[in-house]
Amino acid sequence: EAGVTQFPSHSVIEKGQTVTLRCDPISGHDNLYWYRRVMGKEIKFLLHFVKESKQDESGMPNNRFLAERTGGTYSTLKVQPAELEDSGVYFCASSPLGLATTQTYEQYFGPGTRLTVT
Amino acid sequence: QKEVEQNSGPLSVPEGAIASLNCTYSDRVSQSFFWYRQYSGKSPELIMSIYSNGDKEDGRFTAQLNKASQYVSLLIRDSQPSDSATYLCAVTLGNVGSGNTPLVFGKGTRLSVIA
Repeated sequence: EAGVTQFPSHSVIEKGQTVTLRCDPISGHDNLYWYRRVMGKEIKFLLHFVKESKQDESGMPNNRFLAERTGGTYSTLKVQPAELEDSGVYFCASSPLGLATTQTYEQYFGPGTRLTVT
Repeated sequence: QKEVEQNSGPLSVPEGAIASLNCTYSDRVSQSFFWYRQYSGKSPELIMSIYSNGDKEDGRFTAQLNKASQYVSLLIRDSQPSDSATYLCAVTLGNVGSGNTPLVFGKGTRLSVIA
């Protein structure tokens, strides 16, 4: 079974440009999460999709970030316009949609996209 | 107080020894706890999940959870140089209403196993 894939693996853009990151979750995983790690900091949650719906976008830093998951399959995260502080590694993770009320299902991470804004 | 705290290390242990990694969390109602291993430049790899107080063993790995003390640990027995990596502790926060909740990570502990 294929794991979570992300594209591109690296992106170097100039401040003010636009970048779109893509994540393909594990097949059949309805939960899709975006996380980010900036240098020297911990991995932080950005947003959560359940199928095509945004369940929680409390971690999105500002309205320059736009995420979509059309059809409930792959997801894109667009940064427009990019700023220097957006540099970091963007991870996508997926998990099955569960009915458990007390336990969070295991999340599997993709390889990440390293974004550098110059 | 940070939500999930880990000693950044590096923690150095000789090959064959037991490595002990610790994590504390601030939210008393956290329900789910995970350990990920991350090699430099790679993605976090899930190695253990634990939901109930006590120990959970999987091969050379043992996760220990004490909700009263808000403490979770990871023991690695017979440590190998290939275990050298950063170990990330992740928890869910809040009163979980479903099984689909974002994770909150610590900064990670860097483990170095010396041959």
